[in-house]
Amino acid sequence: ETGVTQSPTHLIKTRGQQVTLRCSSQSGHNTVSWYQQALGQGPQFIFQYYREEENGRGNFPPRFSGLQFPNYSSELNVNALELDDSALYLCASSAAGTARTGELFFGEGSRLTVL
Amino acid sequence: AQSVTQLGSHVSVSEGALVLLRCNYSSSVPPYLFWYVQYPNQGLQLLLKYTSAATLVKGINGFEAEFKKSETSFHLTKPSAHMSDAAEYFCAVSPSGAGSYQLTFGKGTKLSVIP
Repeated sequence: ETGVTQSPTHLIKTRGQQVTLRCSSQSGHNTVSWYQQALGQGPQFIFQYYREEENGRGNFPPRFSGLQFPNYSSELNVNALELDDSALYLCASSAAGTARTGELFFGEGSRLTVL
Repeated sequence: AQSVTQLGSHVSVSEGALVLLRCNYSSSVPPYLFWYVQYPNQGLQLLLKYTSAATLVKGINGFEAEFKKSETSFHLTKPSAHMSDAAEYFCAVSPSGAGSYQLTFGKGTKLSVIP
């Protein structure tokens, strides 16, 4: 069983630039969520995708956007980067409609540094 | 609205001693509750979950947690700490029912185990 994989693992950007982070879901999972984990904090929910549509969003501005593809992989895009966007971005997949409700399987994250 | 408060950002125990990590939640609807563990430079891994069945929940690696509605608590315990338990632990809450994978996490408790 292949786990959740994220790329890149580390990246450095400057203010105002744009970034795309990628995630491959665990085999058999059809729901993808993205979380932002700032240093010393717990993860914060950004949004969730199911069947290629966003079906839940946290308190993040529109410059945070995403996509889910037919193979259930996903992208997180952040435009107009700000210093406060520096964080670990975690992708989590899950199997909607199963007994494993709420169980998220996380990747190791993409660490973004904005200078 | 939901929230989670983890008491103590850092807990130290001796190897073989009891581990107790505290979590209190606030939720306007019956909650699902989770404990996740994060090892250095890794994503989060589910330890255990409460989904309105038995109030005492057993998880992996010898951990368990008890849901106490009257105290709005979901504390994590392990009878005997092992060096490999050193990690950061996050309590999380979500609304009950299928379809919602939006977890609200606490700020985490870093557990150190002293030989």
